[in-house]
Amino acid sequence: DIQMTQSPSTLSASVGDRVTITCRASQNIFTWLAWYQQKPGKAPKVLIYKASGLESGVPSRFSGSGSGTEFTLTISSLQPDDFATYYCQQYNSYSTFGQGTKLEI
Amino acid sequence: QVQLQQSGPGLVKPSQTLSLTCAISGDSVSSNSAVWNWIRQSPSRGLEWLGRTYYRTRWYDDYATSVKGRISINPDTANNQFSLHLNSVTPEDTAVYYCTRGGITSAYTEWGQGTLVTVSS
Repeated sequence: DIQMTQSPSTLSASVGDRVTITCRASQNIFTWLAWYQQKPGKAPKVLIYKASGLESGVPSRFSGSGSGTEFTLTISSLQPDDFATYYCQQYNSYSTFGQGTKLEI
Repeated sequence: QVQLQQSGPGLVKPSQTLSLTCAISGDSVSSNSAVWNWIRQSPSRGLEWLGRTYYRTRWYDDYATSVKGRISINPDTANNQFSLHLNSVTPEDTAVYYCTRGGITSAYTEWGQGTLVTVSS
């Protein structure tokens, strides 16, 4: 099974900050990686697909990069609505999620 | 617009079978491009993919190693829905369960509303 490791687990930031979350896969997943945002009591919502594709309707301050085993999600200028938990997911072989990064003020 | 509506009990006794259904609107369970998944989320296990079913000239299903042997995911073409059955449950199976729509090479764009299932006597 492919393991996904996210860092950091918790990230403290302020409105306007630029933040980066990292996700590492235990083996090559090419660019079969997605990023999700989840708020309390809600289902995850896809932000980025295929490592760098911006899902329709997602603000352009969100961007993704990487390939192989190393990936990043960047939020260029944090907005109040962005404080949430973020997950990476590989879908190269079935599916595995990272353990999550809680973005807090 | 694809929507997924989950239904099923929120409380299951240990050793019994957990059964949930996901009704699909805006797409077909027999679609040649969609894949229908079940995911669960708990504080101890995080987001965990359980399995999927999909149709590509015939029906396929795949299951996570962690639940293989206890799980089945079944399409219901008559009612355009799919179901999850997880047997011999223990308190460790307590989680919020989600159904999702994705593809073999695409992310999960639609999610059900989630169902909290508690395993307790």
